[in-house]
Amino acid sequence: KQEVTQIPAALSVPEGENLVLNCSFTDSAIYNLQWFRQDPGKGLTSLLLIQSSQREQTSGRLNASLDKSSGRSTLYIAASQPGDSATYLCAVRPQSSYKLIFGSGTRLLVRP
Amino acid sequence: DTAVSQTPKYLVTQMGNDKSIKCEQNLGHDTMYWYKQDSKKFLKIMFSYNNKELIINETVPNRFSPKSPDKAHLNLHINSLELGDSAVYFCASSQTSGAQETQYFGPGTRLLVL
Repeated sequence: KQEVTQIPAALSVPEGENLVLNCSFTDSAIYNLQWFRQDPGKGLTSLLLIQSSQREQTSGRLNASLDKSSGRSTLYIAASQPGDSATYLCAVRPQSSYKLIFGSGTRLLVRP
Repeated sequence: DTAVSQTPKYLVTQMGNDKSIKCEQNLGHDTMYWYKQDSKKFLKIMFSYNNKELIINETVPNRFSPKSPDKAHLNLHINSLELGDSAVYFCASSQTSGAQETQYFGPGTRLLVL
């Protein structure tokens, strides 16, 4: 049974810092891994999607890596800004499945 | 224009009532989903429809019944509401059910059962 874990559960950093969010999953048989952002009272916004054959994806100040064999992904945020404050969710899509399995998220606060 | 919309945004109701949540997407996607986010913020898939056909039906009480009148709509009807049904329900859609597809989420419906 696939399980997704995110560490840390919460993170507070001063503006301008580079930071790393971690995601681990127990079964490496996945199609892809996605990182989402959730703002309070809002839905989820897809940030990056990494296919199982890829090692990383980049979008602006965000870089996500995937090490399928070790069951790990990281989301790197460069030069953090207060507007980056949100909950970041990691989700994997198992092979032979249509569904996404989510971690419980990392709540990020970037202090001005 | 909102890509994935849900109504209502908030729903407060008494135990035992029957309620419906509606979802519409204007992205032309073939696949739609319902997720439940509990108080611990875990998001779990409940149902998925592809071209109005049910493709995912997780272990959900049969008090929950999805209905897809067309590809752009996936509604969720809940009978005999219980306290434990209180949660945020998210609708999502994707182009297809393929592995490469990003899912687009609605803003959520916050259900509180008293």
